Amino acid sequence: RKEVEQDPGPFNVPEGATVAFNCTYSNSASQSFFWYRQDCRKEPKLLMSVYSSGNEDGRFTAQLNRASQYISLLIRDSKLSDSATYLCVVNTGGADGLTFGKGTHLIIQP
Amino acid sequence: DTGVSQNPRHKITKRGQNVTFRCDPISEHNRLYWYRQTLGQGPEFLTYFQNEAQLEKSRLLSDRFSAERPKGSFSTLEIQRTEQGDSAMYLCASSSPRGGPGYGYTFGSGTRLTVV
Repeated sequence: RKEVEQDPGPFNVPEGATVAFNCTYSNSASQSFFWYRQDCRKEPKLLMSVYSSGNEDGRFTAQLNRASQYISLLIRDSKLSDSATYLCVVNTGGADGLTFGKGTHLIIQP
Repeated sequence: DTGVSQNPRHKITKRGQNVTFRCDPISEHNRLYWYRQTLGQGPEFLTYFQNEAQLEKSRLLSDRFSAERPKGSFSTLEIQRTEQGDSAMYLCASSSPRGGPGYGYTFGSGTRLTVV
């Protein structure tokens, strides 16, 4: 079983729509959680951390369910510029750093 | 530029040749990571330094791979006798000493290696 699993997509979504991604993680000792965004042929960039109480940053809302070991990302009022791959990332606190999912590819269509 | 810097950006090499990549982390970051990313996959952990000490190596890091961070600042990743399967994007990341597991990392732009 993969440590961090995501639906690879692609998700084709019309501009202005709301889209949600989920991801599951296998290590119950995981301590911190993130969503990274990666544009084509670019490096991953931190989008937001994910807190147990849920957190929001503008149009983006992240949720964590520790009991079920899944993380979600909601994007409201999607923009063309939101087209990217969204990587679900988990940190167990060990020396091996962050564990990445394969990413979910999002395409926002005009 | 105060970000993580990697060079070269691109490297094309013939199978069997040795290659070396360099990473300059954010100056106040004492933790440095190397990751490898192939098409359609997320980045995979290779190795980790805290200051000059290499504290963790992935089983992905075969004997042909070696990484150093001699003065606790920049790091190099060398691949000897390259194979076509080594073709990938090699990403370097650094993180703050003030950050625990709750902090994300800052990635460099990566070095894209193509072995022909």
